[in-house]
Amino acid sequence: DQQVKQNSPSLSVQEGRISILNCDYTNSMFDYFLWYKKYPAEGPTFLISISSIKDKNEDGRFTVFLNKSAKHLSLHIVPSQPGDSAVYFCAAKLSGGKLIFGQGTELSVKP
Amino acid sequence: KAGVTQTPRYLIKTRGQQVTLSCSPISGHRSVSWYQQTPGQGLQFLFEYFSETQRNKGNFPGRFSGRQFSNSRSEMNVSTLELGDSALYLCASSLAPTGLREKLFFGSGTQLSVL
Repeated sequence: DQQVKQNSPSLSVQEGRISILNCDYTNSMFDYFLWYKKYPAEGPTFLISISSIKDKNEDGRFTVFLNKSAKHLSLHIVPSQPGDSAVYFCAAKLSGGKLIFGQGTELSVKP
Repeated sequence: KAGVTQTPRYLIKTRGQQVTLSCSPISGHRSVSWYQQTPGQGLQFLFEYFSETQRNKGNFPGRFSGRQFSNSRSEMNVSTLELGDSALYLCASSLAPTGLREKLFFGSGTQLSVL
């Protein structure tokens, strides 16, 4: 039972344009959401997070949007840079519980 | 401050063998979580330890076990290896249990290949 889903395994974007990575979840009890970025041969690193009581959180070029009614999360990267090429994982957390990750989306930013 | 250290980096085993993976968390971190990463499945949660006690467990068979020592270092053991156990095993540490909205800091992982 995949409670957190990233339905796009890959995404290709031109440098300077916007990258939009999507994530859907099924459990309405999730109260915190996070995005992690992973380069090859390295562990994932934390990127940005959002509480379920908010609908937007911004950090530099990265913005996360949360639509609770649609159970949908998205990460916007503007402008995209070649160094952003990596696998992006969304994750959701139950209050007091474990962190559940999606399958990941591989972003490729072309120069 | 040193990051999360996982050893070994690569491991090749044959079916039926057992394997032990090690994880040293960031100094001061008391929570250690283990994840399995396979293509198409993302990161699957294995278990979490805090102060030597298992707090949460994922949906993996009993062949997968772990423990945490008093210095917060953790080990994961897989017995009777199967071909499907081939994966990248990631360890992550945090100051407090992950349920308290703690960010996870990941190691580079142990790439296990079962032949």
